[in-house]
Amino acid sequence: KAGVTQTPRYLIKTRGQQVTLSCSPISGHRSVSWYQQTPGQGLQFLFEYFSETQRNKGNFPGRFSGRQFSNSRSEMNVSTLELGDSALYLCASSLGLDQPQHFGDGTRLSIL
Amino acid sequence: DQQVKQNSPSLSVQEGRISILNCDYTNSMFDYFLWYKKYPAEGPTFLISISSIKDKNEDGRFTVFLNKSAKHLSLHIVPSQPGDSAVYFCAAIPSGGSNYKLTFGKGTLLTVNP
Repeated sequence: KAGVTQTPRYLIKTRGQQVTLSCSPISGHRSVSWYQQTPGQGLQFLFEYFSETQRNKGNFPGRFSGRQFSNSRSEMNVSTLELGDSALYLCASSLGLDQPQHFGDGTRLSIL
Repeated sequence: DQQVKQNSPSLSVQEGRISILNCDYTNSMFDYFLWYKKYPAEGPTFLISISSIKDKNEDGRFTVFLNKSAKHLSLHIVPSQPGDSAVYFCAAIPSGGSNYKLTFGKGTLLTVNP
């Protein structure tokens, strides 16, 4: 059974640009969550989608947005990139309540 | 304000000995706790969890202990193996919340020396 797949694995952008990251959850998982990992802040929750609806949102500015498609695949978009957005972005999917989240290997975003 | 704290950024133990990773939390609404392990260049992998109605949960070499009054939990690995070397994250979920919004600690790097 395939795990959570994130593309691309690595990305380099410059300040002011925008970026879209993709996540394909484990087959059958309808919940997809996004996290940002930085050395200083650790893993921080961005948002969670279920059945194409955002159900939970973390404390990130509106430049960070996402969406989920009918096949449960999800995308995350960051506009007007800043140097501080350099991080590992992790996607996780879950089967349902009381089930642990399964993480992808992340997209390493570097802002120059 | 960090609600889940892992005060030891790193821990080094000898193969075969016990590894004890600690985690403290401040939010009394947290009632479900998880441990994840993360290798470099990979995403976190779920290890073990515990509900607040329990004080211990065991799975093979991994045992998690929860002390609700102290708002403290710990992960014990016995015996430790070199392959256990990784970053370990403690995470928590509040009561009434979904398990989709995990609050993580900053992690502890465990090194198991052969």
